[in-house]
Amino acid sequence: DAGVTQSPTHLIKTRGQQVTLRCSPKSGHDTVSWYQQALGQGPQFIFQYYEEEERQRGNFPDRFSGHQFPNYSSELNVNALLLGDSALYLCASSFSGSGAYEQYFGPGTRLTVT
Amino acid sequence: GDSVTQMEGPVTLSEEAFLTINCTYTATGYPSLFWYVQYPGEGLQLLLKATKADDKGSNKGFEATYRKETTSFHLEKGSVQVSDSAVYFCALSDGGSQGNLIFGKGTKLSVKP
Repeated sequence: DAGVTQSPTHLIKTRGQQVTLRCSPKSGHDTVSWYQQALGQGPQFIFQYYEEEERQRGNFPDRFSGHQFPNYSSELNVNALLLGDSALYLCASSFSGSGAYEQYFGPGTRLTVT
Repeated sequence: GDSVTQMEGPVTLSEEAFLTINCTYTATGYPSLFWYVQYPGEGLQLLLKATKADDKGSNKGFEATYRKETTSFHLEKGSVQVSDSAVYFCALSDGGSQGNLIFGKGTKLSVKP
């Protein structure tokens, strides 16, 4: 049973560019959440997708956007990259019927903005 | 808003020592509580969870009890191993049908042989 997968593993971008990160949820899961983890910090919630719609959003600017596809996979897009966007981006999946809010995380995408 | 506070690290212990990592939370509702572990270069793995007051979560020798009266969820292990070296995150779910997780800043544990 494949767990949560993310691509790419690492990415280097220049300020002002745009980036797209991808996530495939664990088999049987229908909800995808994205988190940003700065170096030495705990992950911070960006947003959550369910039924192809953004259901919740954390305190992140509109430069951060996302999408969920019919197969439950998801993308995170970040426009007009800033140096401060350098972080590990984590995708987590869960099943809406579990009731325990248990989220399973992927290995993350390390984004470096220069 | 809801928040999680956990003890600052790093924590360095000798193998077979007793481990406690303190975690307290602030929440308006009745959150579920979690401990996640992050090994070097990897994502987060769920270590244990508790969904209501007085529940005890346990896994791989680690335990934590949901204490509503003290708003705490301290992580304990009776005898740590070198392989337990990692960063440990306490987190709560802010409720709702699929509440997002709110994390503490993490505590780095190093276990020496």
